[in-house]
Amino acid sequence: QKEVEQDPGPLSVPEGAIVSLNCTYSNSAFQYFMWYRQYSRKGPELLMYTYSSGNKEDGRFTAQVDKSSKYISLFIRDSQPSDSATYLCAMSESGGFKTIFGAGTRLFVKA
Amino acid sequence: DTGVSQDPRHKITKRGQNVTFRCDPISEHNRLYWYRQTLGQGPEFLTYFQNEAQLEKSRLLSDRFSAERPKGSFSTLEIQRTEQGDSAMYLCASSPPQGLSDGANVLTFGAGSRLTVL
Repeated sequence: QKEVEQDPGPLSVPEGAIVSLNCTYSNSAFQYFMWYRQYSRKGPELLMYTYSSGNKEDGRFTAQVDKSSKYISLFIRDSQPSDSATYLCAMSESGGFKTIFGAGTRLFVKA
Repeated sequence: DTGVSQDPRHKITKRGQNVTFRCDPISEHNRLYWYRQTLGQGPEFLTYFQNEAQLEKSRLLSDRFSAERPKGSFSTLEIQRTEQGDSAMYLCASSPPQGLSDGANVLTFGAGSRLTVL
């Protein structure tokens, strides 16, 4: 079993839809939960991160962490064609240097 | 500073040849990482440097792989006697010392070096 599980998709939605992306994990020591976005033939770029449990909002993006269920989510409101990319969840332990990534979910937003 | 730079962006080589990739991190970042990403997968950790010291190597890093960061600035990743299974995107990332103010170790990635072994 992988430490971080993420459905690879692809996920196809119409423009303006609300998108929900999810990951589960097995390591209860993870404290930092990150979402990276990766466009084709580019390196991942950080979207947002959360420390421990709770919600965090940044514009159209909301990250949620439920440590009791070992489940994290990223919601994208009013999705745009420019949001079409691969979304990678990632996690690390407090004080740790190693970041563990999920497989990534490919998202397509149709105009 | 223009971010993390990687060179070359794409390398095509024949099986058995040696290849070397270079990474120039963000200048204020003392932490440097190499990851490998294959099609449809997320980045997999290969190795980590703090300044010039290589502090951890993944089991994925066989003895054909060697990474260096001689003066704590740029880093190189060499693959000897390449195999077709080495074909992947090799990503370099860096992060600032001691992370962000809340302790988060946020990585800044380069665009990657894509290796194709024929």
